[in-house]
Amino acid sequence: AQKITQTQPGMFVQEKEAVTLDCTYDTSDQSYGLFWYKQPSSGEMIFLIYQGSYDEQNATEGRYSLNFQKARKSANLVISASQLGDSAMYFCAMRFPTFYGGSQGNLIFGKGTKLSVKP
Amino acid sequence: DGGITQSPKYLFRKEGQNVTLSCEQNLNHDAMYWYRQDPGQGLRLIYYSQIVNDFQKGDIAEGYSVSREKKESFPLTVTSAQKNPTAFYLCASSMGLAGIQETQYFGPGTRLLVL
Repeated sequence: AQKITQTQPGMFVQEKEAVTLDCTYDTSDQSYGLFWYKQPSSGEMIFLIYQGSYDEQNATEGRYSLNFQKARKSANLVISASQLGDSAMYFCAMRFPTFYGGSQGNLIFGKGTKLSVKP
Repeated sequence: DGGITQSPKYLFRKEGQNVTLSCEQNLNHDAMYWYRQDPGQGLRLIYYSQIVNDFQKGDIAEGYSVSREKKESFPLTVTSAQKNPTAFYLCASSMGLAGIQETQYFGPGTRLLVL
């Protein structure tokens, strides 16, 4: 069964430093998409970055980059130059094409990592 | 501005009462979703809809119902059959349902509490 694991319930980082949030996944499928979302205390889920299983290069979006290691089934999020506003919950999620059975088209989420940025 | 709106922000339910959570999007997206989030947990899918007048059960549909009469709207009803409805409910939409690259965008959420 498909599963997302985020092993770090909470992380601290000093402002302006880089931080890596871990995400491993379990699937036997070859085609899938990996997403990271940020959830501030207000509750809204904010899309950060996407990586497709067939993408050869790691995805980057501004200060966010995804360290994708397909053989290890990991998709770690790297935030460079942390800012106070980065303090939030971060969720890793996985999506499969709709022609797969079960959870067609929806996102499977990990339990999240709470990031706290210290001034 | 395009986006997803959810109302109300907070909702209180009495025992045996049905309540309806609103979700509206003006992104012209075909697919819409409802997720439930419990404290310390990720999101779990309740229902999703690919097109108007069609919707499918997700992983935890029992005690919930939905309708999709308009492309822009996907209301969720929490029925009295849902014995543990206290949670944070998030609505999302995406351009389509097919494809691994379809990004889902979320609304601000509704927090449901039982009195």
